[in-house]
Amino acid sequence: SAVISQKPSRDICQRGTSLTIQCQVDSQVTMMFWYRQQPGQSLTLIATANQGSEATYESGFVIDKFPISRPNLTFSTLTVSNMSPEDSSIYLCSVGRGQGAFFGQGTRLTVV
Amino acid sequence: DQQVKQNSPSLSVQEGRISILNCDYTNSMFDYFLWYKKYPAEGPTFLISISSIKDKNEDGRFTVFLNKSAKHLSLHIVPSQPGDSAVYFCAAKRQGGSEKLVFGKGTKLTVNP
Repeated sequence: SAVISQKPSRDICQRGTSLTIQCQVDSQVTMMFWYRQQPGQSLTLIATANQGSEATYESGFVIDKFPISRPNLTFSTLTVSNMSPEDSSIYLCSVGRGQGAFFGQGTRLTVV
Repeated sequence: DQQVKQNSPSLSVQEGRISILNCDYTNSMFDYFLWYKKYPAEGPTFLISISSIKDKNEDGRFTVFLNKSAKHLSLHIVPSQPGDSAVYFCAAKRQGGSEKLVFGKGTKLTVNP
């Protein structure tokens, strides 16, 4: 398994502002993943963060809106920029390990 | 286009009985499937997985069945316990590719004492 610490666990933000979410893993991993879970929806992959290179974004997600940093093999950040109420979701970081992928506890974001 | 579907948003069973959660997929390239359990205010927890070369995988009270021809898998929990009450997500990926997972919308299981 993997121990993944994610913070903040929740936040309420004003529209138009930005929030940076941090993810710390207890051991080195090549790839880290950022997911979003909108209310009543499935988990959707936003992007894959590789150390030393730019993140790879999924269809419908762009770097200007969700910039990602990956400064080393145990840490990554996701920024939700210029927030609107539609960005209210749970954001989760994840790492692959063996047979399964492991998740942080998530960041519950509410934009008002 | 939802590639992984969990058509039952909720399921309620009595303690001690069997819980059966279902999942269908459309992408024939998927060859590895996982189930996750999620409690409120927590991240998803890996539960059990199955490769497409198998049709059954068992781990204690949890068994996953895979029917490749029907593109269908199911999770059986026997016997169900109140602590099993959570949202269960089915996920799929292509082995040998990235670790990227495609998730269903989840089924909320309630086990009544």
